[in-house]
Amino acid sequence: KAGVTQTPRYLIKTRGQQVTLSCSPISGHRSVSWYQQTPGQGLQFLFEYFSETQRNKGNFPGRFSGRQFSNSRSEMNVSTLELGDSALYLCASSSDRGGPSSYEQYFGPGTRLTVT
Amino acid sequence: DQQVKQNSPSLSVQEGRISILNCDYTNSMFDYFLWYKKYPAEGPTFLISISSIKDKNEDGRFTVFLNKSAKHLSLHIVPSQPGDSAVYFCAAIYDGNKLVFGAGTILRVKS
Repeated sequence: KAGVTQTPRYLIKTRGQQVTLSCSPISGHRSVSWYQQTPGQGLQFLFEYFSETQRNKGNFPGRFSGRQFSNSRSEMNVSTLELGDSALYLCASSSDRGGPSSYEQYFGPGTRLTVT
Repeated sequence: DQQVKQNSPSLSVQEGRISILNCDYTNSMFDYFLWYKKYPAEGPTFLISISSIKDKNEDGRFTVFLNKSAKHLSLHIVPSQPGDSAVYFCAAIYDGNKLVFGAGTILRVKS
């Protein structure tokens, strides 16, 4: 079974631009979550999508948004990029079919975003 | 408010010895705990988990202990191997499907 894939792997943008990151979950997984990891920080939760609906949201500004498609693929968008948005953005999927163990999340390799 | 805390930013252990990674949490409603391992330039990899109704779960060289009264979670790796060198994150699930991570501990296993 193929793992979680994320594209692109690396991205360089300038301040003020916007960016869209893509995530394809493991086949059959219905939940997709996005995280931001910066040096010295843990994984900061951005949001989670399930059945094309945002189910949970972390404490990030409205510049960060996402969506999920009917095939469970998800995209994350960051508008008006700031230098502080430079980070590794990780996507994770889970089956979410019942029981806590189904919430074990499987991560993609991440997209390294650099804002200059 | 950091609900899951990993107070040791790093840990250095000799190959063959035991590595003990610790995690404290504040929310008594957490019902499931997980450990992830992360190598540079890769996403975190699920390692082992434990339900809040248990106090121990073992998988090969990895054992997770849960002390609910102390709100403390630990991961034991024995024997430690150089390939275990990575960042380890503990995480907790609450409200059914919400996941919160600790800040991570860098483990270095010296050969």
